Amino acid sequence: AQSVTQLDSHVSVSEGTPVLLRCNYSSSYSPSLFWYVQHPNKGLQLLLKYTSAATLVKGINGFEAEFKKSETSFHLTKPSAHMSDAAEYFCVVSDRPTGFQKLVFGTGTRLLVSP
Amino acid sequence: DSGVTQTPKHLITATGQRVTLRCSPRSGDLSVYWYQQSLDQGLQFLIQYYNGEERAKGNILERFSAQQFPDLHSELNLSSLELGDSALYFCASSVGRGGPTDTQYFGPGTRLTVL
Repeated sequence: AQSVTQLDSHVSVSEGTPVLLRCNYSSSYSPSLFWYVQHPNKGLQLLLKYTSAATLVKGINGFEAEFKKSETSFHLTKPSAHMSDAAEYFCVVSDRPTGFQKLVFGTGTRLLVSP
Repeated sequence: DSGVTQTPKHLITATGQRVTLRCSPRSGDLSVYWYQQSLDQGLQFLIQYYNGEERAKGNILERFSAQQFPDLHSELNLSSLELGDSALYFCASSVGRGGPTDTQYFGPGTRLTVL
């Protein structure tokens, strides 16, 4: 079965410094991978997705992620954190290469941004 | 705003009761998905409907049921409620059947509290 591991439950950064949220996946094929963000009392918003095209994926709000097959990683980065980036981030993998794809969510990483 | 709407935002009820959660997908989307987010289980896929028909099932309890109506809105029915059913219930929608290129857009969620 496919799975994702988010290596940090909490990440704290200062405003203006880089953000790195780590995600490792397990899959027996080339998966589709996603990052979603959940702001307090809000729904999940898609940040970006990888579906076997370019390995460096650019998303909204300055976020990007790089698919590294050799390391089975899909880390999320942003060059400069903003206070509004404080939220919970979920790394997500699809569970099969064709047909219906159940999304399998990681446990989430809470990003804290201090002034 | 994803375009997916869910009502109500909050629901407080007692054990043993039955509730109905409602979801309206984005305009043009044919698939509706239901997810449960709880502290102990994280985010879990419950069920998917595509154009009125059940397409995929996840970790949905027998006490729970769902349907999608001709106007494509969906309802999730939870019965014989238990304390452990307290959670945030998300609805998502997508254009297609849930394949590799299909992106799911999430609603703001319904917070269910069972007392």
